[in-house]
Amino acid sequence: QKEVEQNSGPLSVPEGAIASLNCTYSDRGSQSFFWYRQYSGKSPELIMSIYSNGDKEDGRFTAQLNKASQYVSLLIRDSQPSDSATYLCAVDGGSQGNLIFGKGTKLSVKP
Amino acid sequence: AAGVIQSPRHLIKEKRETATLKCYPIPRHDTVYWYQQGPGQDPQFLISFYEKMQSDKGSIPDRFSAQQFSDYHSELNMSSLELGDSALYFCASSPGTDLNEQFFGPGTRLTVL
Repeated sequence: QKEVEQNSGPLSVPEGAIASLNCTYSDRGSQSFFWYRQYSGKSPELIMSIYSNGDKEDGRFTAQLNKASQYVSLLIRDSQPSDSATYLCAVDGGSQGNLIFGKGTKLSVKP
Repeated sequence: AAGVIQSPRHLIKEKRETATLKCYPIPRHDTVYWYQQGPGQDPQFLISFYEKMQSDKGSIPDRFSAQQFSDYHSELNMSSLELGDSALYFCASSPGTDLNEQFFGPGTRLTVL
């Protein structure tokens, strides 16, 4: 059974700080990794995808992947109150592309 | 930019009734995925279609069925509804299965009374 683990939080950071979200996965053969943001009652919104080891930056977001440690992280710089949401880590579940999600980390950015 | 469209957005049914959820993927996306998200839970994969053929199956009950039509829209049919089927149902689409970036629709909130 493939698993994706995240700390459920809540993770609370002050406005302007860096928020660090972490995720581990069980299947060493996984190839695709994603971070989704989900506001309460809304649909998951794709914010980052990463496929190879190292860092990938997009605006205030940086995804980091370490396949040897089976670890994915998301850094949010200059956190804003509007970043307050649940962040879901997702990993490809097989050759046909379905995603396996972690249970999400709830982030709260305090003004 | 066009997004995934789902209808209806809200649906209330009685136990043992049937429901049909519809999904219209982003134009030129040929792969559709269905997920179920219960309260406080992460999305659980149900079923997917690639080029109108079922490509993968997850934790979908036998009471549920789905298909993808020639225009790539997909429908999820749910029969003999149970209270536990109350959840958010999301459809996601992607342009193929290689990179697998999936874009989610707004969801259908199904309430079974």
